[in-house]
Amino acid sequence: AQKITQTQPGMFVQEKEAVTLDCTYDTSDPSYGLFWYKQPSSGEMIFLIYQGSYDQQNATEGRYSLNFQKARKSANLVISASQLGDSAMYFCAMRVSGGGADGLTFGKGTHLIIQP
Amino acid sequence: NAGVTQTPKFQVLKTGQSMTLQCAQDMNHNSMYWYRQDPGMGLRLIYYSASEGTTDKGEVPNGYNVSRLNKREFSLRLESAAPSQTSVYFCASIFRLAGGYNEQFFGPGTRLTVL
Repeated sequence: AQKITQTQPGMFVQEKEAVTLDCTYDTSDPSYGLFWYKQPSSGEMIFLIYQGSYDQQNATEGRYSLNFQKARKSANLVISASQLGDSAMYFCAMRVSGGGADGLTFGKGTHLIIQP
Repeated sequence: NAGVTQTPKFQVLKTGQSMTLQCAQDMNHNSMYWYRQDPGMGLRLIYYSASEGTTDKGEVPNGYNVSRLNKREFSLRLESAAPSQTSVYFCASIFRLAGGYNEQFFGPGTRLTVL
């Protein structure tokens, strides 16, 4: 079975600083994908970034980058130059390809608060 | 292009009542999903439909039924609502690119309270 662990329930960060949100995962499947979603207080799920297990390079999307360390089974999200609008819940999720149940397995999330 | 839409946005039920949550997507995606999100938790998969005419159980299917009416629509039914089903329900569909990249598009959610 797949499992996602996010060990930081909450974080306070000063505006303009970089932020690293931790995510570790557990799966025995060699083919999988890792996702990060942002959920602001309004409740919608916003896709941020994706990393495939066979991707050679770490994924980047604007101010977001994914620090993928396959041997350690970690997929930390890095937000550069944080902004007040980055305050939200952040969820790490994993999808395993192949047989078995489809869909994403989510972590419990990290509540990020950016302070001015 | 509306993406993934859900109705209703909010609903209050009494214990034992039934209701159907509606979901539709206009992106021609094959796979659709229902998740629930409880306070302080990530999303958990209830049911999914890999293609029109097929449905399968996810992590927490008890107390729910689903129907994949056509490629666009995937509904979730609570036959006899219980307070434990108070949650926010998200519908999602998936877009796959060559090479295995896939992104799940989520609807705005339905906030359900069962008294």
